[in-house]
Amino acid sequence: DAGVIQSPRHEVTEMGQEVTLRCKPISGHNSLFWYRQTMMRGLELLIYFNNNVPIDDSGMPEDRFSAKMPNASFSTLKIQPSEPRDSAVYFCASSRETGGYGYTFGSGTRLTVV
Amino acid sequence: AQSVTQLGSHVSVSEGALVLLRCNYSSSVPPYLFWYVQYPNQGLQLLLKYTSAATLVKGINGFEAEFKKSETSFHLTKPSAHMSDAAEYFCAVRGNAGNNRKLIWGLGTSLAVNP
Repeated sequence: DAGVIQSPRHEVTEMGQEVTLRCKPISGHNSLFWYRQTMMRGLELLIYFNNNVPIDDSGMPEDRFSAKMPNASFSTLKIQPSEPRDSAVYFCASSRETGGYGYTFGSGTRLTVV
Repeated sequence: AQSVTQLGSHVSVSEGALVLLRCNYSSSVPPYLFWYVQYPNQGLQLLLKYTSAATLVKGINGFEAEFKKSETSFHLTKPSAHMSDAAEYFCAVRGNAGNNRKLIWGLGTSLAVNP
């Protein structure tokens, strides 16, 4: 099991550019979560999917952020246009649907918007 | 609504000393409880979890936690700290009813281990 795979590991982009973060969850996991972590705000849940359907996107900061999960093995988080305040580490995590399972996190994408 | 409170955002111990990281929760349903560890520049890793079986839960790296319903607590302990234990620790709670799949997170406790 390769775990949750995120790409890229690091991204540096200029303000106004589009940024796409990618995530491959663990096979067999039904739920997928996108988190953002900063020193100021800690760990924030942006959106989560269950069986590829967005269940709760109340954490998405604004319309510049969008997330998709076209199939069970792939999800993207897009920021368009990006702003310096979007600089953070973005984590993807997956989990089985039922039972007391925790999440398995990816290694994160460190985004810097200059 | 569920919530998690981690007492102490920073804890410092000497190498070989007892580690105690505190977590209190509120939940209207029997909870699932988790401790995660985050090493610098890494993702979060599951340390241990409580899922209504044994109240004393053993995890990786010598950590354990005890679920105390009467105190609504799930404190994390380790008898003897190692330098490699220096990291950020997060407590989380998840309801086990309905469609609630979200973890509710504490703000984290940064553990420093002094030689």
